[in-house]
Amino acid sequence: DVKVTQSSRYLVKRTGEKVFLECVQDMDHENMFWYRQDPGLGLRLIYFSYDVKMKEKGDIPEGYSVSREKKERFSLILESASTNQTSMYLCATFPSGAYYEQYFGPGTRLTVT
Amino acid sequence: AQSVSQHNHHVILSEAASLELGCNYSYGGTVNLFWYVQYPGQHLQLLLKYFSGDPLVKGIKGFEAEFIKSKFSFNLRKPSVQWSDTAEYFCAVSSTSGTYKYIFGTGTRLKVLA
Repeated sequence: DVKVTQSSRYLVKRTGEKVFLECVQDMDHENMFWYRQDPGLGLRLIYFSYDVKMKEKGDIPEGYSVSREKKERFSLILESASTNQTSMYLCATFPSGAYYEQYFGPGTRLTVT
Repeated sequence: AQSVSQHNHHVILSEAASLELGCNYSYGGTVNLFWYVQYPGQHLQLLLKYFSGDPLVKGIKGFEAEFIKSKFSFNLRKPSVQWSDTAEYFCAVSSTSGTYKYIFGTGTRLKVLA
């Protein structure tokens, strides 16, 4: 079974703080993704990575950055958290190749006050 | 632009009723299609997927979906819902080439009344 873990289920931070969300997978998958999930908006892609040290912007990258120093770990960084970044953050992973599905972590519910 | 539309945002059904959730997509080229489900308090999990072949796909827990290429649709069905099907359902599309980015629909919240 693929296991995708996220560092926290719930997180509360103050406006202006730097926030790190971590995702770790145990299946040696090349591709990793960060989404945010908001009611009525579905899942929106923030960033993705298809290899170590490789990253690409998704649809809503503003205010976020990412880091992938090791294959199994993909970090999402909020440089200066703002209240409009209060959301559920989901990490997903899948192997290279066209015919696989994404595997999701449990999510981190971030509240910025 | 690439997009996925789920027209039903909230659906309320009684147990044993039949379910059909609509999903239409706009995406160039050959696609993979997915339905994911998120039960209350749980993570997203795959319900079913279509890559190629038979357009009628069967998934877990009695769900099925039909890919109609001419209508760019991939509707989810279940003949008789149960209270435990209460969840949020997401349709998603990905390309079979390139970066394999997924485009998700906005989700449908299903509530099944016991």
